[in-house]
Amino acid sequence: NAGVTQTPKFRILKIGQSMTLQCTQDMNHNYMYWYRQDPGMGLKLIYYSVGAGITDKGEVPNGYNVSRSTTEDFPLRLELAAPSQTSVYFCASSQEASQFFGPGTRLTVL
Amino acid sequence: GESVGLHLPTLSVQEGDNSIINCAYSNSASDYFIWYKQESGKGPQFIIDIRSNMDKRQGQRVTVLLNKTVKHLSLQIAATQPGDSAVYFCAEKVYSGGGADGLTFGKGTHLIIQP
Repeated sequence: NAGVTQTPKFRILKIGQSMTLQCTQDMNHNYMYWYRQDPGMGLKLIYYSVGAGITDKGEVPNGYNVSRSTTEDFPLRLELAAPSQTSVYFCASSQEASQFFGPGTRLTVL
Repeated sequence: GESVGLHLPTLSVQEGDNSIINCAYSNSASDYFIWYKQESGKGPQFIIDIRSNMDKRQGQRVTVLLNKTVKHLSLQIAATQPGDSAVYFCAEKVYSGGGADGLTFGKGTHLIIQP
């Protein structure tokens, strides 16, 4: 199993641009999550999903959107990128409580 | 809001010694706790977890201790090796019968192994 994979690894955006961060898991987990990690900080939950077609907001959802059309995929969408969204983004999945993380996407908004 | 925090941002230990990383949590409703290891440029890696109905759990070279009375969690790493150098995060959640809801993370402790 590849586990949780994320693309791209790195991206630089201009203010106002949009992009989609991709996340795929091959463990058939029901639950998937998006977190952001700012320098020197822990992770903060953006959105999560308990199954295909069901998503919910986490602690810091503003400026982001998600969809969950399949069990495997959970893309994160930034519509109007802002400098405050410069961060490292981690996707995770779980079947029960223990979450497994992808390698992250480092996003810079200039 | 309630949060999980760590006492020390950096911990330096000699190779071969035991390491103890501490964590304080404030949400008394939390009943599930996890320790993650994060190496530079990588995602968090699961180390060990513990439910609130336990006060100790052991893994390979690691032990987690939970003191619910003082809301304190610790991770003990035996015979620390250079590969243990990383940032360690504790995380908590209110276990809702499954994976729903995210984890609340502390800021992390950077473990440095001295040769």
